Amino acid sequence: KAGVTQTPRYLIKTRGQQVTLSCSPISGHRSVSWYQQTPGQGLQFLFEYFSETQRNKGNFPGRFSGRQFSNSRSEMNVSTLELGDSALYLCASSLQGRNLETQYFGPGTRLLVL
Amino acid sequence: DQQVKQNSPSLSVQEGRISILNCDYTNSMFDYFLWYKKYPAEGPTFLISISSIKDKNEDGRFTVFLNKSAKHLSLHIVPSQPGDSAVYFCAASAGTSGTYKYIFGTGTRLKVLA
Repeated sequence: KAGVTQTPRYLIKTRGQQVTLSCSPISGHRSVSWYQQTPGQGLQFLFEYFSETQRNKGNFPGRFSGRQFSNSRSEMNVSTLELGDSALYLCASSLQGRNLETQYFGPGTRLLVL
Repeated sequence: DQQVKQNSPSLSVQEGRISILNCDYTNSMFDYFLWYKKYPAEGPTFLISISSIKDKNEDGRFTVFLNKSAKHLSLHIVPSQPGDSAVYFCAASAGTSGTYKYIFGTGTRLKVLA
């Protein structure tokens, strides 16, 4: 069974631009969660989608948004990029999304904002 | 305010010795804790968990200890192997359902020297 895939793996953008990241979950998984990893803050929960609906949201500004498609693939969008948005963005999929232990993480997309 | 802290950003241990990774938390409502391991260019993978009703949980070479009065947990790896070299995150939640409730630490990079 293929794992969670994220594209692109690396991205360089400049301040003010917007970016879209993609996550393909494990086949059959309906929950996709997004996390931001920075050296100073560790992993921080962004949001979770389940069956095309945002089910939970972390404490991030509205510049961070996402969506999920009918095939469970998910995209995350960050508008008006700031230097502080430079981070590793991880997505994780699971069948139901209720238990962190059963989430499978992708390798992440490393975003650098200049 | 960092509710889950891993105060040691890095740790080096000789192969065959014990590795002890520490995690402190401030929220007394946390009742479930996990450890994740992350290799470079890969997503985090679940390692071991512990509920607040226990003070110890063991899985092979990995043991997690919980000291509720000190709000401290630790991960012991015995014996340490070079393949254990990775970044280790602890995470805590108040209630086990809902992945969005987990708060992660900033991680400790473990290097096991051959």
